[in-house]
Amino acid sequence: DQQVKQNSPSLSVQEGRISILNCDYTNSMFDYFLWYKKYPAEGPTFLISISSIKDKNEDGRFTVFLNKSAKHLSLHIVPSQPGDSAVYFCAGSYSGTYKYIFGTGTRLKVLA
Amino acid sequence: DAGVIQSPRHEVTEMGQEVTLRCKPISGHNSLFWYRQTMMRGLELLIYFNNNVPIDDSGMPEDRFSAKMPNASFSTLKIQPSEPRDSAVYFCASSPSGSYPNFSTDTQYFGPGTRLTVL
Repeated sequence: DQQVKQNSPSLSVQEGRISILNCDYTNSMFDYFLWYKKYPAEGPTFLISISSIKDKNEDGRFTVFLNKSAKHLSLHIVPSQPGDSAVYFCAGSYSGTYKYIFGTGTRLKVLA
Repeated sequence: DAGVIQSPRHEVTEMGQEVTLRCKPISGHNSLFWYRQTMMRGLELLIYFNNNVPIDDSGMPEDRFSAKMPNASFSTLKIQPSEPRDSAVYFCASSPSGSYPNFSTDTQYFGPGTRLTVL
């Protein structure tokens, strides 16, 4: 049972345009969500997070939006740069637990 | 800090052999996680240690898998005997989370992973 789903395995975007990566979840107990970025031959690195008490969190070119009623979150990258080309993992968690439940990842390719 | 260190980076072995993966967490972190990455299932948590004690091993796929953390600076994940379906990238991660069960969801820092191929 995949509690966190990233239904788009890959996405290609032109440099300078917006990249939108989507994530759906089924566990209503999740109150904390994260995005990790992974380059080839490296481990995932933390990118941005959002608490369920918010619907938006912004950090530079990266913004995460949370729609709790739809159990959906998205990561926006504006403007996209070739260095953003990586696999992006969405994860959910909940208070009082150590567990991150990850999705299967979306491979983003930003074309120069 | 050097970050989370994993060894070996690549391991190729034959079915039936024992495989041992190693991890050195970030100094001062008291939580350690072992994950497995596959195309079909993404990143799956295998086992979680807090203060060197295994707290949750429900993600360990079978009895062929075992993990230990003899001290705060070292952990191993062992597969015996290995099978071709164990081929995956195995990640170790650590975080500064407090002591179980009173801790926050601190950021997890991942190592570079070990790519395991079982022939």
